[in-house]
Amino acid sequence: AQSVTQLDSQVPVFEEAPVELRCNYSSSVSVYLFWYVQYPNQGLQLLLKYLSGSTLVKGINGFEAEFNKSQTSFHLRKPSVHISDTAEYFCAVSGRDNDMRFGAGTRLTVKP
Amino acid sequence: NAGVMQNPRHLVRRRGQEARLRCSPMKGHSHVYWYRQLPEEGLKFMVYLQKENIIDESGMPKERFSAEFPKEGPSILRIQQVVRGDSAAYFCASSRGQGVDTQYFGPGTRLTVL
Repeated sequence: AQSVTQLDSQVPVFEEAPVELRCNYSSSVSVYLFWYVQYPNQGLQLLLKYLSGSTLVKGINGFEAEFNKSQTSFHLRKPSVHISDTAEYFCAVSGRDNDMRFGAGTRLTVKP
Repeated sequence: NAGVMQNPRHLVRRRGQEARLRCSPMKGHSHVYWYRQLPEEGLKFMVYLQKENIIDESGMPKERFSAEFPKEGPSILRIQQVVRGDSAAYFCASSRGQGVDTQYFGPGTRLTVL
């Protein structure tokens, strides 16, 4: 079975600063990795996913993530954040059966 | 091109009543997943269904909770004799088919048990 650990429950950052949201996973089989964003009182929206191929994955809204197999990590990054990026971010891992498991979430707060 | 639809968006029940949550997957999607999100927590997997089949219910509480995805109509998550601890946001997601596939989420149903 796979699992995900999001290392930071809250990340405050100033507008236009870079940000990294950390995610580590554990799995005994091939993994597929996802980042979702949740705005207040809304459902989850897919930011990006890693299924295979290039380990650097680019997503929507200027976000990107890098799959690091040796460190079992899939950290999310953005070089310059906006106020509108304030939201909850969830890392998720899935096996071949699409049995997705989510981390506890990281609340990103962008301050002016 | 409608996304995943859930209704109601908000549901209030008194302890002991039944709650029925509905989920209509995206067009062309035959797989449905239900998740529960407690306040200040992440999403917890509950159940994975295909049409007329439960594929994985390892996250479902053993009592009071049930789910179905009939041949026609939406998927239903049913909670009998609700208790205050059932208050949460319940999200449904759908995907196209088997294997690894992006899950698309609905807006959720927020259940409040008084």
